[in-house]
Amino acid sequence: SQQGEEDPQALSIQEGENATMNCSYKTSINNLQWYRQNSGRGLVHLILIRSNEREKHSGRLRVTLDTSKKSSSLLITASRAADTASYFCATPSGYSTLTFGKGTMLLVSP
Amino acid sequence: NAGVMQNPRHLVRRRGQEARLRCSPMKGHSHVYWYRQLPEEGLKFMVYLQKENIIDESGMPKERFSAEFPKEGPSILRIQQVVRGDSAAYFCASGKREDTGELFFGEGSRLTVL
Repeated sequence: SQQGEEDPQALSIQEGENATMNCSYKTSINNLQWYRQNSGRGLVHLILIRSNEREKHSGRLRVTLDTSKKSSSLLITASRAADTASYFCATPSGYSTLTFGKGTMLLVSP
Repeated sequence: NAGVMQNPRHLVRRRGQEARLRCSPMKGHSHVYWYRQLPEEGLKFMVYLQKENIIDESGMPKERFSAEFPKEGPSILRIQQVVRGDSAAYFCASGKREDTGELFFGEGSRLTVL
């Protein structure tokens, strides 16, 4: 069963705007991760936030985690056309595995 | 500093044939994960292996699919008697720790069953 669910499914913005994607999950976690996938490529790890952290930054990325609401958000500031990709949240499950959501497809137009 | 290497990148098979997908993890990584991705869908976990051990195969179909990670050589995902529904991208990932930290993904093997 799906652990993380991203919202929205698709997002279309102009270059320079901010993009916000949300992830909701069902069970308790010790960390939550965000990955990016360019079309036809493998996934690339963006950022990991632990359950005792509320916010984390990496360059133009800002991730928040609200364990009481079982939700996380990924904010990309000052987006660029090169940010066009699918973004997935992932949470631990089972024997040291990660469960991925269906992703948010982000399109950034020049 | 090679990353996770998967081959072949593209594979075409006719129904009933066998598909073998190979994955070499990053240097120093002893944990290998296989995922399947259907068009415009997320990744579905299939199997988690360490050297010579299958740790979790809860996502593997009960029939026709098998995986191994031998002491020497790459991890192999084997699909016997392929059907059209097996057409998908198969991704391998590796990690170096058991605490579900960051995974490093290969570029995937795209299987098309005619």
